Amino acid sequence: ETGVTQSPTHLIKTRGQQVTLRCSSQSGHNTVSWYQQALGQGPQFIFQYYREEENGRGNFPPRFSGLQFPNYSSELNVNALELDDSALYLCASSFGPTFDAFFGQGTRLTVV
Amino acid sequence: EDQVTQSPEALRLQEGESSSLNCSYTVSGLRGLFWYRQDPGKGPEFLFTLYSAGEEKEKERLKATLTKKESFLHITAPKPEDSATYLCAVQKYGGSQGNLIFGKGTKLSVKP
Repeated sequence: ETGVTQSPTHLIKTRGQQVTLRCSSQSGHNTVSWYQQALGQGPQFIFQYYREEENGRGNFPPRFSGLQFPNYSSELNVNALELDDSALYLCASSFGPTFDAFFGQGTRLTVV
Repeated sequence: EDQVTQSPEALRLQEGESSSLNCSYTVSGLRGLFWYRQDPGKGPEFLFTLYSAGEEKEKERLKATLTKKESFLHITAPKPEDSATYLCAVQKYGGSQGNLIFGKGTKLSVKP
């Protein structure tokens, strides 16, 4: 059984650029959630996708967007990057929206 | 406002010195409380889910308990490999059910 995998592991972008982060969910999972974790803080919920539809969104601006594909993998897109977007981006998958969530290793994004 | 507070922020123990980490929460309609372990630069690793007051779960040297206002993670005879940040999160009924609300974590250091 494969776990949650994220790519890339590290990324450096320039302010104003756009970035796409990818997540492959654990086998059998149909739900993917994305979180942002700043240094020294707990993860903050960005949004969740369930069966290819957005199923809830946290307090993040519209320049944070996402997709879920028929195989339940997912993408997080961030437009017009700002310095404060520098963080560890975490993807979690589960059997459904209310089931236990299992996290990937994260993507470390640095905006310069 | 929904809130999760973890204490202490940091805890240093000698190997074999048992202790407890605290997670207090204020949410309207708790569906579940989650404990995760996070190593530096890695994604959170799932430990336990607790659903109702009085519930207890154990895994190796860890035991998690839940009351109506807080949860404790008891660590018995810790080893250096237990050093990590321990995150507590709550999930509530209604709204965006996928939203885990995290505390800032307790950073545990176990010295040999």
